[in-house]
Amino acid sequence: NAGVTQTPKFRVLKTGQSMTLLCAQDMNHEYMYWYRQDPGMGLRLIHYSVGEGTTAKGEVPDGYNVSRLKKQNFLLGLESAAPSQTSVYFCASSYSIGGAPEQFFGPGTRLTVL
Amino acid sequence: GENVEQHPSTLSVQEGDSAVIKCTYSDSASNYFPWYKQELGKRPQLIIDIRSNVGEKKDQRIAVTLNKTAKHFSLHITETQPEDSAVYFCAARYSGGGADGLTFGKGTHLIIQP
Repeated sequence: NAGVTQTPKFRVLKTGQSMTLLCAQDMNHEYMYWYRQDPGMGLRLIHYSVGEGTTAKGEVPDGYNVSRLKKQNFLLGLESAAPSQTSVYFCASSYSIGGAPEQFFGPGTRLTVL
Repeated sequence: GENVEQHPSTLSVQEGDSAVIKCTYSDSASNYFPWYKQELGKRPQLIIDIRSNVGEKKDQRIAVTLNKTAKHFSLHITETQPEDSAVYFCAARYSGGGADGLTFGKGTHLIIQP
């Protein structure tokens, strides 16, 4: 099993450009999450999904959109990138909340917005 | 929403000594408290977790304690080794009001001095 994978690993954007980050998991997990990590700030939840076709806002959702068209994939979109979105983005997944809440993280995507 | 405070931000200990990292949380409804270890440039990895119906959990050199009344939990690492050097994050899972997800502390940089 590959676990949780993220594409791309690195990306540089100019202000105003758009892009989509892809997260894929092969563990048949119901729950998927997008976090951003900034120096000294820990990880902050952007959006999450509790199942195929569902999405919900987390702590810092502004400027991002997400989609969960397939159970194994969770996409994070930036429609008009801003320098404040320079960060490392981590995707995570978990089987369930009650029985097995452990979240497994992907390797991260380092995004720089100039 | 949940708020997690983590202390200290940096902890330096001699190899072989013990290290303790402390976290407090604000939402009494939080019921799951994981600890993650993150090495430089890597993804967060779960090292131990505890649920709200348990007061203490131990796994070899690592233990976590939870005080629900005081709303704080701690990570204890005994007989520290050089490979324990990393950033450690505590987190609390909240679920309510239509929201879900982990709230992370800002991290503790643990340095093991030879």
